Amino acid sequence: AQSVSQHNHHVILSEAASLELGCNYSYGGTVNLFWYVQYPGQHLQLLLKYFSGDPLVKGIKGFEAEFIKSKFSFNLRKPSVQWSDTAEYFCAVNLGGSQGNLIFGKGTKLSVKP
Amino acid sequence: EPEVTQTPSHQVTQMGQEVILRCVPISNHLYFYWYRQILGQKVEFLVSFYNNEISEKSEIFDDQFSVERPDGSNFTLKIRSTKLEDSAMYFCASSAQGYYGYTFGSGTRLTVV
Repeated sequence: AQSVSQHNHHVILSEAASLELGCNYSYGGTVNLFWYVQYPGQHLQLLLKYFSGDPLVKGIKGFEAEFIKSKFSFNLRKPSVQWSDTAEYFCAVNLGGSQGNLIFGKGTKLSVKP
Repeated sequence: EPEVTQTPSHQVTQMGQEVILRCVPISNHLYFYWYRQILGQKVEFLVSFYNNEISEKSEIFDDQFSVERPDGSNFTLKIRSTKLEDSAMYFCASSAQGYYGYTFGSGTRLTVV
């Protein structure tokens, strides 16, 4: 069965540190890739998405992600985190051609210390 | 910015009771979805709905679950006879076209006691 793996359950960083959250998926066909963020008490918000083209995708709030097809990965990065980035981050995959349902990873909780 | 609205934000129900979770998708969206997230676990797809019928459903979406778009604006998820393991956060989402423009609601936390 198709799956999405996020290997880091909880990441703790100090402000200004660089961030990289891993995401791997298991599916050999065409995929569409997403990163969502969930701030405490709020709904899932789209950070960025990849459908095709340049594998380096820039999203909101200074986040970016790189699609590496050979590694089945879509890691999320930010050069310098802020306290306000404290949230849970979810990687999600849509299998190309499906009706749109997303397969989510388990999420990575990011805590940024001021 | 348009929002997907879910009500109530928190519902407590007794085991065996029926519960209806309500969602108002974005008005010009055509695809509607329900997901759930059991505490500490991943967000899981339940069902997608398009053109007034279910287009896909997961193994979780068994006969205890049903969805309806009763009046052209609301999109509801009904759980017929709730079990303790149905306790979760339920998210509604809508999109204009499949995975494009996906927007999630803020969720309903269902607690079955």
